[in-house]
Amino acid sequence: KAGVTQTPRYLIKTRGQQVTLSCSPISGHRSVSWYQQTPGQGLQFLFEYFSETQRNKGNFPGRFSGRQFSNSRSEMNVSTLELGDSALYLCASRLTETEAFFGQGTRLTVV
Amino acid sequence: DQQVKQNSPSLSVQEGRISILNCDYTNSMFDYFLWYKKYPAEGPTFLISISSIKDKNEDGRFTVFLNKSAKHLSLHIVPSQPGDSAVYFCAASAGAAGNKLTFGGGTRVLVKP
Repeated sequence: KAGVTQTPRYLIKTRGQQVTLSCSPISGHRSVSWYQQTPGQGLQFLFEYFSETQRNKGNFPGRFSGRQFSNSRSEMNVSTLELGDSALYLCASRLTETEAFFGQGTRLTVV
Repeated sequence: DQQVKQNSPSLSVQEGRISILNCDYTNSMFDYFLWYKKYPAEGPTFLISISSIKDKNEDGRFTVFLNKSAKHLSLHIVPSQPGDSAVYFCAASAGAAGNKLTFGGGTRVLVKP
């Protein structure tokens, strides 16, 4: 069974640009959530999608958005990138209210 | 406000001995707790979890203990192996909050051969 797949693995963007990251959950998992990991703030919850609906949202500005498609694949978008958005972005999928399985992440560098 | 705290940023242990990692939480709504292992530039790998209705869960070399009254959980790794060297995160969720995991800051474990 394939795990959670995130693309791309690495990305370099310029301040002010926007970026879209993609996540394919484990087959059959309908819940997808996104996290940001930075050295200063640790692992922080961004948002969660379930059956194409945002079910939960963390404390991030509106520049961070996401969506989920009918096949449960999810994308997150960050607009007007800032240097502080440089981070490892992690996607996790979950079957039920139990353990979440993470992808390898997308390393975003904003220059 | 850190709702989940791992007060030891690092831990060094000899191969074959026990590693004990601690985690404290403040939110009494948390009802499910998880431990993850993470290598640099990779996603966390799920290790073991425990529901708030239990006080112990065991899986091979890994055992998690939960003390609800103290709002404290711990992960025991016995015996520790060099491959266990990584950063360990505890995480908690509240059932009504869906899939939101609140993570501790992590504990870096070094297992010396």
